[in-house]
Amino acid sequence: GNSVTQMEGPVTLSEEAFLTINCTYTATGYPSLFWYVQYPGEGLQLLLKATKADDKGSNKGFEATYRKETTSFHLEKGSVQVSDSAVYFCALSDLGGNEKLTFGTGTRLTIIP
Amino acid sequence: EAGVAQSPRYKIIEKRQSVAFWCNPISGHATLYWYQQILGQGPKLLIQFQNNGVVDDSQLPKDRFSAERLKGVDSTLKIQPAKLEDSAVYLCASSSDRGHEQYFGPGTRLTVT
Repeated sequence: GNSVTQMEGPVTLSEEAFLTINCTYTATGYPSLFWYVQYPGEGLQLLLKATKADDKGSNKGFEATYRKETTSFHLEKGSVQVSDSAVYFCALSDLGGNEKLTFGTGTRLTIIP
Repeated sequence: EAGVAQSPRYKIIEKRQSVAFWCNPISGHATLYWYQQILGQGPKLLIQFQNNGVVDDSQLPKDRFSAERLKGVDSTLKIQPAKLEDSAVYLCASSSDRGHEQYFGPGTRLTVT
């Protein structure tokens, strides 16, 4: 079955540091890949997505590239801000099936000034 | 545009009691999802509706969980009787159609004592 393995947290960085959160997946077929973010006290929000190999998703300074050869979708940001503190979830959807989302366990990110 | 609404936000019950959660999706959204998020884990799909029909309920513990979406709008998720391991956040999400972006509500945090 489908699965997502995500870098364990928590991760603590200083403001303006470079961020990488690793995500690898196992899936049959050709899934779509997502990063969701959950800010304190709020619901999950879609941060970015990629639907095919070599696609790059980007939003709010975050980027992730769909790497089929390494089955990875690592999240990166060049300079993090305190407002980026949140829990980040990597997920996949098998659009060839019923498009349900399979999530990783989440990575809690804390940015200190 | 109003987001996905859920109530209650918090619920504490004793084991063997019953509990119900309510979800109002974004207006016009045909697809509705219920996810269970246990502490430290990613959300897991319990059930997916397309209008008022069930698309996927393969991970719903049907001996104690039930869900309905009468008239294809609001949905309720019920647990009867609750067990300690049901303590989790229950997330509702909706999308305009199958395969489209899912929008999440704030969740209901259930504690079973």
